[in-house]
Parts: sequence; C-alpha cells; structure tokens
Amino acid sequence: DAGVIQSPRHEVTEMGQEVTLRCKPISGHNSLFWYRQTMMRGLELLIYFNNNVPIDDSGMPEDRFSAKMPNASFSTLKIQPSEPRDSAVYFCASTNGQSSSQHFGDGTRLSIL
Amino acid sequence: SQQGEEDPQALSIQEGENATMNCSYKTSINNLQWYRQNSGRGLVHLILIRSNEREKHSGRLRVTLDTSKKSSSLLITASRAADTASYFCATDAHGNNRLAFGKGNQVVVIP
Repeated sequence: DAGVIQSPRHEVTEMGQEVTLRCKPISGHNSLFWYRQTMMRGLELLIYFNNNVPIDDSGMPEDRFSAKMPNASFSTLKIQPSEPRDSAVYFCASTNGQSSSQHFGDGTRLSIL
Repeated sequence: SQQGEEDPQALSIQEGENATMNCSYKTSINNLQWYRQNSGRGLVHLILIRSNEREKHSGRLRVTLDTSKKSSSLLITASRAADTASYFCATDAHGNNRLAFGKGNQVVVIP
C-alpha cells in the first residue's frame, strides 16, 4: 500500500514567493497532521484535520501560513509570502482512529533564500 | 534523556550492544509512542504503550512506562548498523492523536 505522499521533496525559492506544499494521506485515514522540523525547535505540530475539518491550528506560526483539506485525499500547506526563517522540513502525517500511530511522509525540505 | 517533550542526546555504541534511551514528560497521558527517523526520511512508528501498561515488547524493542515518574525508556537489544537513526518519544495526552514530540535521541551503531 502507498504511504503518505508529499510533494515536492525539495523546494528552493526566494523570499517573498508563495510556497505550496502538498500531501496525500493514506487512503481511509481520517486525520491529517502538518508538522515542521528544525534543529532548534524539533518537531512542531502546525495544524491537524479530522474528517477534512481543521481541529487545531494553534501551531500555525502566523497569518502567512494557511492549510486546506478540500477532500479526504488531499491537503495543502501554503506560505505567502515566504521568509528565510520558514526554512525547515515540513512533514505530513495521517492516522485512522483514536489513539493510533501516525504515518509520516518523507517530508518537503524547504529553503527560502 | 528525552522529555516527551525532551533534551536531545547522542549515543554511540558498537554493533551487538544494547541501546537504552529515556523520555520524561510533564502531563498525564493516554499513551506514549516511540518513533524512528532515518536521515532524510519521515518518522516511522515503532511502538505504542498505553497509560495502563508498564512494559511492551516488539522484536528487539522493549519499552517501559512509569506513570508515577512520568518517564519511559526504549531498549534496543543486539543493535545493528541499520538501527542508526534518531529516536523520538511522543505523548498523546487525551487519546485524540495530538502528539507532543521530544527533540530525539541520535543513536549511531558502529559496525
């Protein structure tokens, strides 16, 4: 079975540009999570969805960040405008049911110049 | 040791030795999970232990949980070079899958 699929794997862009990260969760999973990983802060939860509805976006750093989940098989995380401090690895994870393990994609390594 | 919620630590061991890493947390939990992350890859779930469990085994992995001390340990027995990775503990306080991750323990297994 396919795991969580993220695209692109790498993104290098100049500050001020819009960045869109994409995620396809595992089919049948009803919860989706976006994380950001940096050396300084470790793995931070940005936002998570249950049944396509955003439940907790308290981790979204600022208004420049937005996330959507238009259907059960697709989610996007958008940064507009991007800044160098947004450089990090962004992970998407999905899970099915309560108290379950999360399945992670291989992440998008984002570099903002 | 990690704090579920943790301080990062690096561990370098010889192949065949056991590797032990610790995790502490602050709040009550529904369950605690351990994940592995290989360089350049996403996290992979290893084992989940619920708050009413004290010990769990999976292959060469052994996890303990002490809720009175708010701590957990992960033991990897007979380590292999392929076990080289970062290991993270994560706590689920309410059973709603919202995990709080520590900063990880880096383990290097020397062949």
